[in-house]
Amino acid sequence: KAGVTQTPRYLIKTRGQQVTLSCSPISGHRSVSWYQQTPGQGLQFLFEYFSETQRNKGNFPGRFSGRQFSNSRSEMNVSTLELGDSALYLCASSLTSGIPDTQYFGPGTRLTVL
Amino acid sequence: EDKVVQSPLSLVVHEGDTVTLNCSYEVTNFRSLLWYKQEKKAPTFLFMLTSSGIEKKSGRLSSILDKKELFSILNITATQTGDSAIYLCAAQNTGGFKTIFGAGTRLFVKA
Repeated sequence: KAGVTQTPRYLIKTRGQQVTLSCSPISGHRSVSWYQQTPGQGLQFLFEYFSETQRNKGNFPGRFSGRQFSNSRSEMNVSTLELGDSALYLCASSLTSGIPDTQYFGPGTRLTVL
Repeated sequence: EDKVVQSPLSLVVHEGDTVTLNCSYEVTNFRSLLWYKQEKKAPTFLFMLTSSGIEKKSGRLSSILDKKELFSILNITATQTGDSAIYLCAAQNTGGFKTIFGAGTRLFVKA
């Protein structure tokens, strides 16, 4: 089975721009979660999608948004980029939502904001 | 506010040593605790713990959960240089599906 894939792997943007990141979960997995990882803050939960619905949201500003498609692929969008948005963005997929389940992580997208 | 705290933040040991990594949590409607190993990019799953007092083992790694005291430990015996990584602990809640991660413990094993 192919693992979780994320594209692009690296991105360089400037302040004020917007960016869209993509995540394809493991085949059959319906839940996709997004995380931001920075050296100072560690791994922080952004949001989780299940069956095209956002089930949970972390404490991030409205500039961070996401969506999930009918094939479970998910996109995350960050508008009006700030320097502090530079981070590794990880997505993780799992079979379902709402019950303890193992999450499998993708390789991440490294975003640098200049 | 839900939180997961890991200690120590970093650790340097010699090959063959045994290490214990700690994870405490305060999570509303706690359901399970997860351990991950992160070497380069993506964290890889190690253990999921849902019941108190039941040790899970995988080779030289083992973990146990104490739901009364709200903590978990990850033990690594006979450490090897390949064990050098960041070890992440995360707590999942029930009801919704939310996973809260700790800051991680950076382990460096010297040859």
